[in-house]
Amino acid sequence: DQQVKQNSPSLSVQEGRISILNCDYTNSMFDYFLWYKKYPAEGPTFLISISSIKDKNEDGRFTVFLNKSAKHLSLHIVPSQPGDSAVYFCAASDTGANSKLTFGKGITLSVRP
Amino acid sequence: GAVVSQHPSRVICKSGTSVKIECRSLDFQATTMFWYRQFPKQSLMLMATSNEGSKATYEQGVEKDKFLINHASLTLSTLTVTSAHPEDSSFYICSARDRSGGNTEAFFGQGTRLTVV
Repeated sequence: DQQVKQNSPSLSVQEGRISILNCDYTNSMFDYFLWYKKYPAEGPTFLISISSIKDKNEDGRFTVFLNKSAKHLSLHIVPSQPGDSAVYFCAASDTGANSKLTFGKGITLSVRP
Repeated sequence: GAVVSQHPSRVICKSGTSVKIECRSLDFQATTMFWYRQFPKQSLMLMATSNEGSKATYEQGVEKDKFLINHASLTLSTLTVTSAHPEDSSFYICSARDRSGGNTEAFFGQGTRLTVV
């Protein structure tokens, strides 16, 4: 049973436009959410996170929105750049002392020049 | 940000041999580290949680006798794939959460591409 779902396997957007990557979760105990970017044969790189006490967190071109009632979060990248092309993973955890992260399957983002 | 270093980045070994992968937190102490495995075009699957000074906690379906984890210090965890078989070929990634200052992000190593021939 997948607790973190990224239902769209891929997304293609034009450079300069907005990229919106979606993520849904089922475990109501999750209260901390993260987005990671990953290139092939490399470890994931942390992008941005959000605690359940917030509904929005912004860092430069990246904004994460959280809708707790819908158990849904999204990552907005604007403006999108070709260098953003990668696989993006949504992850969730509770804030227990040594909580593990549960990952979605990832979305492959392609930004066309 | 915090740095997690993983070594080696890639290794090729013969079937039946053992391979050790190291994961180090370079600028913070990690009482807990996590080991993941990623199959092609799939998500990161948690294999086990490595606890400093105690036994690792394995996820369901992961053979603890095959994937030996040792967390000898607050900055080092090792994963040993014993008696490796071709089906163990995969991308293995470690991570650690830097809890200092209230941070809860998990930082990942560079990953290890294991190929068993």
